[in-house]
Amino acid sequence: KAGVTQTPRYLIKTRGQQVTLSCSPISGHRSVSWYQQTPGQGLQFLFEYFSETQRNKGNFPGRFSGRQFSNSRSEMNVSTLELGDSALYLCASRWGTGDNSPLHFGNGTRLTVT
Amino acid sequence: GQQLNQSPQSMFIQEGEDVSMNCTSSSIFNTWLWYKQEPGEGPVLLIALYKAGELTSNGRLTAQFGITRKDSFLNISASIPSDVGIYFCAGFTSGTYKYIFGTGTRLKVLA
Repeated sequence: KAGVTQTPRYLIKTRGQQVTLSCSPISGHRSVSWYQQTPGQGLQFLFEYFSETQRNKGNFPGRFSGRQFSNSRSEMNVSTLELGDSALYLCASRWGTGDNSPLHFGNGTRLTVT
Repeated sequence: GQQLNQSPQSMFIQEGEDVSMNCTSSSIFNTWLWYKQEPGEGPVLLIALYKAGELTSNGRLTAQFGITRKDSFLNISASIPSDVGIYFCAGFTSGTYKYIFGTGTRLKVLA
């Protein structure tokens, strides 16, 4: 069974640009969550999608957005990039939402903003 | 954002030693997960705990769900060099319907 797949693995962008990250969940998993990981702030929850609907949201500005497609694949978009957006962005899938099924992570997209 | 308190922050140990780390919160959780993350990779699920007092093992790893439901513990027995990495706990509460992560424990093993 394939794991969570994130593309691309690495991205270098300039301040002010926008970026789109992609995540394919484990087959059968309908929930996809996104996390930002930085050395100083650890793993911070961005949002969770289930059945193409955002079910939960963290405390990030509106520049961070996402969506989920009917095949459960998800994309995350960051507009007007800032230097502080440099981080590892992790996607995690799980079977359901609102329940305690465990998260399974991909290997992340390393975003560097210059 | 909200994070769980994890200790120790980092530790150096000799190969063969046992390791203990814990995760604490002021909130009650109904699920605890433990993950290991190695450089350049995402966190990998090690153990999941669903019931207060539950003790679960995965090879040399043993984790416990605290009876107060506000903490969890992870033990690694007879550590080996490949145990190096960052260990994260995560707690789930039905109040927020999301997982909150600990600050991580960085483990370094001296051969």
